[in-house]
Amino acid sequence: GAVVSQHPSWVICKSGTSVKIECRSLDFQATTMFWYRQFPKQSLMLMATSNEGSKATYEQGVEKDKFLINHASLTLSTLTVTSAHPEDSSFYICSAQPSRDRVNEQFFGPGTRLTVL
Amino acid sequence: GQNIDQPTEMTATEGAIVQINCTYQTSGFNGLFWYQQHAGEAPTFLSYNVLDGLEEKGRFSSFLSRSKGYSYLLLKELQMKDSASYLCASMDSNYQLIWGAGTKLIIKP
Repeated sequence: GAVVSQHPSWVICKSGTSVKIECRSLDFQATTMFWYRQFPKQSLMLMATSNEGSKATYEQGVEKDKFLINHASLTLSTLTVTSAHPEDSSFYICSAQPSRDRVNEQFFGPGTRLTVL
Repeated sequence: GQNIDQPTEMTATEGAIVQINCTYQTSGFNGLFWYQQHAGEAPTFLSYNVLDGLEEKGRFSSFLSRSKGYSYLLLKELQMKDSASYLCASMDSNYQLIWGAGTKLIIKP
């Protein structure tokens, strides 16, 4: 159990286009989903925390108008990178938490590698 | 500020034992996590410690000392497939994970 999927697993796009990444919890409901970004040889950087039915909370330095997050249901959160530029190329990873009470349970998706040309 | 420190890289021999240390300073504390990450893949959960002491899980064990802000991950009977990055993360008072930069473990035959 506790499987999280991401789609697509990799994407190449042209500069200036928008890319949507989906994160789904397949066999549980996730009250909270987290979006991370990881550059090569660096650790995970939390971008935002999204709770179902409410606005996402963005970390300092992350532009909310550029990285649009929608947590429309308890099993789906989407991250849209708008007007992507080469510096947005990175490994984007989502994780899902079943409930606020189970803080030690955070399940990661397989990640999405974004390359912006 | 919040800070997680762990060695950048370690090398060990197949069949041996290796200990990866982690020190943390976070605003509040709700547990210490260890994750394994192979290149190009997402992290996979290894262990969670919230009380002091040693937690053993097969070949992997994790230790926590809250008073010292210190944890270690102990890997026994190393196998080639254990070559990966090992990420230490502390959960702060807001239940957010603060991540270390990871320790790249290289296993040699």
